[in-house]
Amino acid sequence: AQTVTQSQPEMSVQEAETVTLSCTYDTSENNYYLFWYKQPPSRQMILVIRQEAYKQQNATENRFSVNFQKAAKSFSLKISDSQLGDTAMYFCAAIEGINNDMRFGAGTRLTVKP
Amino acid sequence: KAGVTQTPRYLIKTRGQQVTLSCSPISGHRSVSWYQQTPGQGLQFLFEYFSETQRNKGNFPGRFSGRQFSNSRSEMNVSTLELGDSALYLCASSFTSGALGNEQFFGPGTRLTVL
Repeated sequence: AQTVTQSQPEMSVQEAETVTLSCTYDTSENNYYLFWYKQPPSRQMILVIRQEAYKQQNATENRFSVNFQKAAKSFSLKISDSQLGDTAMYFCAAIEGINNDMRFGAGTRLTVKP
Repeated sequence: KAGVTQTPRYLIKTRGQQVTLSCSPISGHRSVSWYQQTPGQGLQFLFEYFSETQRNKGNFPGRFSGRQFSNSRSEMNVSTLELGDSALYLCASSFTSGALGNEQFFGPGTRLTVL
């Protein structure tokens, strides 16, 4: 089964600056998907971005982009032009193959400062 | 399209009681997964239901059970509650199961407090 590790419990960034959140994973499967979810204080989990393992091109969604290093099993999230509304817990997650058993990292609490 | 709904949003129970939580998936979604979120253990997968059948199960004791109805709505039940069951229980729905990389949409969660 896959494991996901987030080594940064907390991070902060100034509004309008760029921040990168780190994530490493381990899996023995060839087919897997990686996700970044955001959980604001409201507790609603929101999908930020997803990456298919078979795609070499890094996924991007507006101000959010990932750096997917398959050989290193690394999947970092870059947030550009940080906004106050980006303040939240960010979870890295993985799904192997055809299972819906999503494994999450411990999360990184991001604070955007004005 | 309405999102995933969970009821109740908050619940307080005492040790030894049982509790039932409900999840209504997004219309057209047939897979429902349940997760437990605690400060100590983080987010952990409980089980997944698809077409009224349990498809996957996480590493939780038998006190945790669930079911899915023909309209895809799902319930999870926890019997003989323990203090450690206090958690946020999240439900997630996806269009199908058994396919690569199903995107899961999460509900707002049910906050269970066991006294």
